[in-house]
Amino acid sequence: TQLLEQSPQFLSIQEGENLTVYCNSSSVFSSLQWYRQEPGEGPVLLVTVVTGGEVKKLKRLTFQFGDARKDSSLHITAAQPGDTGLYLCAGAPTNAGKSTFGDGTTLTVKP
Amino acid sequence: GAVVSQHPSWVICKSGTSVKIECRSLDFQATTMFWYRQFPKQSLMLMATSNEGSKATYEQGVEKDKFLINHASLTLSTLTVTSAHPEDSSFYICSARKPSYGYTFGSGTRLTVV
Repeated sequence: TQLLEQSPQFLSIQEGENLTVYCNSSSVFSSLQWYRQEPGEGPVLLVTVVTGGEVKKLKRLTFQFGDARKDSSLHITAAQPGDTGLYLCAGAPTNAGKSTFGDGTTLTVKP
Repeated sequence: GAVVSQHPSWVICKSGTSVKIECRSLDFQATTMFWYRQFPKQSLMLMATSNEGSKATYEQGVEKDKFLINHASLTLSTLTVTSAHPEDSSFYICSARKPSYGYTFGSGTRLTVV
């Protein structure tokens, strides 16, 4: 059973468009991470959020952690072809617990 | 930072042979490392948790005798796929957690069994 539900699973958009990826759970997480993975490579950490309601920005990417620490979102503004990849959210129920991954969102940004 | 090195990046082996994959934490000590398997365009599925100096903890459905894990030092965990078969072909990824930093992943190993 996947504790983290990620949506949408696939997303194909044109360059310049905005998008939001959601990561939802019925469980509370002490921290939640977002990763981006390119084919043939391991996931690369984008951000870690730990405080309910927290918002972090990384250039054109905005990450939000839900107030109850059960959900998160990733918003990309003015997407570029270089944003193409698999986006994964992962949450740990405790600081020492193992992370559970969402199903992933495959994003394709067309030039 | 926190760097995890995984080796080899890719390997092709014959059915029935065994393959060892190494995962090293380069600039920190990791008492716990994780091994994942990933199929094309799918998310990571946790196979097992590697514990330094003790037995690994396997997820339900993962054959411990087939996927041997050894975590003999604070910086090295190995995954050995024994008697590999074509259905074992996959992308294997390790990760380690550095306190106050989060999880860092290796670059993955593409295993092809022919």
